[in-house]
Amino acid sequence: EAEVAQSPRYKITEKSQAVAFWCDPISGHATLYWYRQILGQGPELLVQFQDESVVDDSQLPKDRFSAERLKGVDSTLKIQPAELGDSAMYLCASSLGQDRFYEQYFGPGTRLTVT
Amino acid sequence: LAKTTQPISMDSYEGQEVNITCSHNNIATNDYITWYQQFPSQGPRFIIQGYKTKVTNEVASLFIPADRKSSTLSLPRVSLSDTAVYYCLVGENYGGATNKLIFGTGTLLAVQP
Repeated sequence: EAEVAQSPRYKITEKSQAVAFWCDPISGHATLYWYRQILGQGPELLVQFQDESVVDDSQLPKDRFSAERLKGVDSTLKIQPAELGDSAMYLCASSLGQDRFYEQYFGPGTRLTVT
Repeated sequence: LAKTTQPISMDSYEGQEVNITCSHNNIATNDYITWYQQFPSQGPRFIIQGYKTKVTNEVASLFIPADRKSSTLSLPRVSLSDTAVYYCLVGENYGGATNKLIFGTGTLLAVQP
């Protein structure tokens, strides 16, 4: 069964450093999502791509976070500089398209710890 | 934006049927109701989705009354491996590029032997 791949699985970084996460969605999935999940809470949508275009980044802290999906396939989420409050699980998900937006396939996530 | 309310936690025993009810009083006409399951240190997993009446798949059933202001996820004969957080979501479907899911805090289901 096809899966969403994410790397790294774990990342420890010092505050003020830069950090990047990578996601490879299921082949053929046009829509890609990045979520942030703080322990004990549900995932919060950070950014949503349709192919290579950003369609929703209203919750993305744009002063320090950036996301790209240059060829409409894999994607990178970057944080620079990292802050202590950024410690969380970062989840990537993909779906077939907007008419199937409710059925998203999630990767295993990247657990970020900022010290 | 439709908000969902569900119990913070539930307990059950192996072999029992579990029903988790979710309230979404201000659900809009275009909104779908979706349920996800999440195990610790894993991403959420899609369980079931519905718009009205009853939907059943190999994992669960979803019951939605006519007014759609609530929904009930039914898990038949749970096992220890069903211990997880279950999220009820109302998906904003406006037919455009910004369709999205809004996660709440979910229900922690603990299944005991």
